[in-house]
Amino acid sequence: RKEVEQDPGPFNVPEGATVAFNCTYSNSASQSFFWYRQDCRKEPKLLMSVYSSGNEDGRFTAQLNRASQYISLLIRDSKLSDSATYLCVVTGHFGNEKLTFGTGTRLTIIP
Amino acid sequence: NAGVTQTPKFRILKIGQSMTLQCTQDMNHNYMYWYRQDPGMGLKLIYYSVGAGITDKGEVPNGYNVSRSTTEDFPLRLELAAPSQTSVYFCASRPSGQGENTEAFFGQGTRLTVV
Repeated sequence: RKEVEQDPGPFNVPEGATVAFNCTYSNSASQSFFWYRQDCRKEPKLLMSVYSSGNEDGRFTAQLNRASQYISLLIRDSKLSDSATYLCVVTGHFGNEKLTFGTGTRLTIIP
Repeated sequence: NAGVTQTPKFRILKIGQSMTLQCTQDMNHNYMYWYRQDPGMGLKLIYYSVGAGITDKGEVPNGYNVSRSTTEDFPLRLELAAPSQTSVYFCASRPSGQGENTEAFFGQGTRLTVV
């Protein structure tokens, strides 16, 4: 089983729609979780951290389910500028600080 | 505040040549990472370091070497370049600890072609 798994997509959704991504991780001791965004041929950039209580930043909501070992990202009222690849990122437990990326989910917003 | 700086941005190597990809960060981060990303694929961890003098293998370390003599610098060495090492290489750093404000920051990448 891969350490971090994502549906690669592609997801093609109309502008204004709501889209959700899930990501599962295998290490139950993982402590930190993030969603990154990567535009074509660019470096990944932090979209948001994922906290145990869930968190929201504008149109973006992230959730963590430790019991089922998955994190999710919800994008509401999608914009053309949201088109990108979304990467799920998970760290190891303290003392094993590998930073492991999922393969990414490609999202295209259609006008 | 420059963040994470990688050099060079582009490089073409011949098979069998060697080179060093440079990475430096000015955020005093303990943790540093090297990833490679092949076209249409995810990031694969090559090596990482949790502090000066400490390095560890990642998922795909074969054909590469690293060193971490200072907190700021984490160079990646390719000794005998092979076509399979054609890729985009990203360096990243992050602070130690867990939870809030521990996200990784990336350099702009080095696009390497081995011919």
